[in-house]
Amino acid sequence: DSGVTQTPKHLITATGQRVTLRCSPRSGDLSVYWYQQSLDQGLQFLIQYYNGEERAKGNILERFSAQQFPDLHSELNLSSLELGDSALYFCASSSTLTDTQYFGPGTRLTVL
Amino acid sequence: AQKVTQAQTEISVVEKEDVTLDCVYETRDTTYYLFWYKQPPSGELVFLIRRNSFDEQNEISGRYSWNFQKSTSSFNFTITASQVVDSAVYFCALLGAGSYQLTFGKGTKLSVIP
Repeated sequence: DSGVTQTPKHLITATGQRVTLRCSPRSGDLSVYWYQQSLDQGLQFLIQYYNGEERAKGNILERFSAQQFPDLHSELNLSSLELGDSALYFCASSSTLTDTQYFGPGTRLTVL
Repeated sequence: AQKVTQAQTEISVVEKEDVTLDCVYETRDTTYYLFWYKQPPSGELVFLIRRNSFDEQNEISGRYSWNFQKSTSSFNFTITASQVVDSAVYFCALLGAGSYQLTFGKGTKLSVIP
């Protein structure tokens, strides 16, 4: 158990809908990262937050947004969903002392 | 640009055999970090090891060992006396100094047959 929690574990929705994925980092970790894992693209970095502030952005679509709250949990919002958004979404966290990112169990999103 | 190549897409071995998973990376950074993660069938990503670019010492942890060779830009992972529980997809990843995003390889699916 990495100490990173993600909810929900599975999410099934329809095209055009909006969903919110939630992540709680390991105790004491200030950085939260979001990654998408799909069959064709592999594991891709989406975005990083550090202590509530956006720090880095990767291949994140404009339809996707994220935020990190004062209690350090983070949410990834996906809107106007398309079939191609079906993927496993991971959250990871790291401390300021190490660059090691510890991953949560992931949320499997299925868009029908 | 950074790149990680895991040329072996799938490997099958019989239990108790040794197996080496290859990882070759590309980066222009002089300081960087290399990682291996394991993704079992249940789907989570499990951290295995972190190595920084200044530490070329090989590491052994139980049945796992890692060989880092800067001269060939490789960071290979060997499992000795493989077990069925080792069956998983293994990812090699690179983090450049000052970067926040891991660059992953495509992964190698290891199947250990009883």
